[in-house]
Amino acid sequence: QKEVEQNSGPLSVPEGAIASLNCTYSDRGSQSFFWYRQYSGKSPELIMFIYSNGDKEDGRFTAQLNKASQYVSLLIRDSQPSDSATYLCAFGDNAGNMLTFGGGTRLMVKP
Amino acid sequence: GAGVSQSPRYKVTKRGQDVALRCDPISGHVSLYWYRQALGQGPEFLTYFNYEAQQDKSGLPNDRFSAERPEGSISTLTIQRTEQRDSAMYRCASSPRDRNSPLHFGNGTRLTVT
Repeated sequence: QKEVEQNSGPLSVPEGAIASLNCTYSDRGSQSFFWYRQYSGKSPELIMFIYSNGDKEDGRFTAQLNKASQYVSLLIRDSQPSDSATYLCAFGDNAGNMLTFGGGTRLMVKP
Repeated sequence: GAGVSQSPRYKVTKRGQDVALRCDPISGHVSLYWYRQALGQGPEFLTYFNYEAQQDKSGLPNDRFSAERPEGSISTLTIQRTEQRDSAMYRCASSPRDRNSPLHFGNGTRLTVT
């Protein structure tokens, strides 16, 4: 059974700090990894995707993937109160399909 | 362009009734997924389609749940003989390719079984 583990939080960081969100997954064959943000009462929205080992940066967001350790993380630099949300990681199966989601980490950025 | 559209937004039904939830994906998107999400949890996979073919239905909880996408576009998730434990947010998502492609979610249908 495919599993994704995330710390449910809440993770509290002060405004302007770096928020670090982590996720481990069980399927060694996974090829694709995604981070979604979900505001309370809203639908998940895609933040980043990463397919290769290493770092991928997009604005204030950096996704890090380590396939050997089956670990993916999301760094949010210069955190803003508007970043307060639940962050979901997801991975595809070894065919690149069927995304499995973690339970999400709730992030709170305090002014 | 329009995003993923789900209807109805809210559905309240009595236990034992059948319900049909509709999803209209982004035009041209190949893959369509159904998820169920309980409050405070991540989306739970139910089933997905590539074009009109149902590729995986391993997440459907039992045989009261079924889904179809007959023309490779609009999809319907049907729950027969609803039970209170079926109450949840049902989310549809589509993606432009059939592999390694991000999902775009609709606003969901909130189902309440009384």
